[in-house]
Amino acid sequence: GAGVSQSPRYKVAKRGQDVALRCDPISGHVSLFWYQQALGQGPEFLTYFQNEAQLDKSGLPSDRFFAERPEGSVSTLKIQRTQQEDSAVYLCASSPATGTISTRMHFGDGTRLSIL
Amino acid sequence: AQSVSQHNHHVILSEAASLELGCNYSYGGTVNLFWYVQYPGQHLQLLLKYFSGDPLVKGIKGFEAEFIKSKFSFNLRKPSVQWSDTAEYFCAVNANNNDMRFGAGTRLTVKP
Repeated sequence: GAGVSQSPRYKVAKRGQDVALRCDPISGHVSLFWYQQALGQGPEFLTYFQNEAQLDKSGLPSDRFFAERPEGSVSTLKIQRTQQEDSAVYLCASSPATGTISTRMHFGDGTRLSIL
Repeated sequence: AQSVSQHNHHVILSEAASLELGCNYSYGGTVNLFWYVQYPGQHLQLLLKYFSGDPLVKGIKGFEAEFIKSKFSFNLRKPSVQWSDTAEYFCAVNANNNDMRFGAGTRLTVKP
């Protein structure tokens, strides 16, 4: 299909390990968003890219979290020295429009990260 | 603190019952309002949105929502639910062109 693809679907890591989560947006989509969804909560904004530029990273919870989108397409969310509170579903969304207001935001299925 | 509140964590209804899911927000200024739905095993999908104009907005699958500015509310309604409406529903607010903020979600279970 032509939806937003995230990999892996599930990731289990030991506390202290580094993890990398991948997002393949819909081809041609300018905007890309990362959200964190803890159990029983709604998605929380992490960061926003317009093409390769990271225009908003105000939601990243700490300097252990790092996101990149070097060629304006695929994006990687990296979490260093993982902690148990990092356990959550990480959602990626893309949109053909610019800006953080978008009615054409398409979400991926998410990566469920569990930190032991 | 600015927030989006969904009053019901889990709602259980029988088929054909009417549905109303509450959503309140605490942001001032210009707001854009959304309801998203997540069916079991699927990704989040936009159900409906309000940007301006008629405060009663209609979405897909017979859902509608009413923006009441004085109450800071954007409740979701459906006159007669179906088993296939079983899903998690998220209210979201985009205030003053900042990032989208989601409520904690309401899980709807419709019994056949």
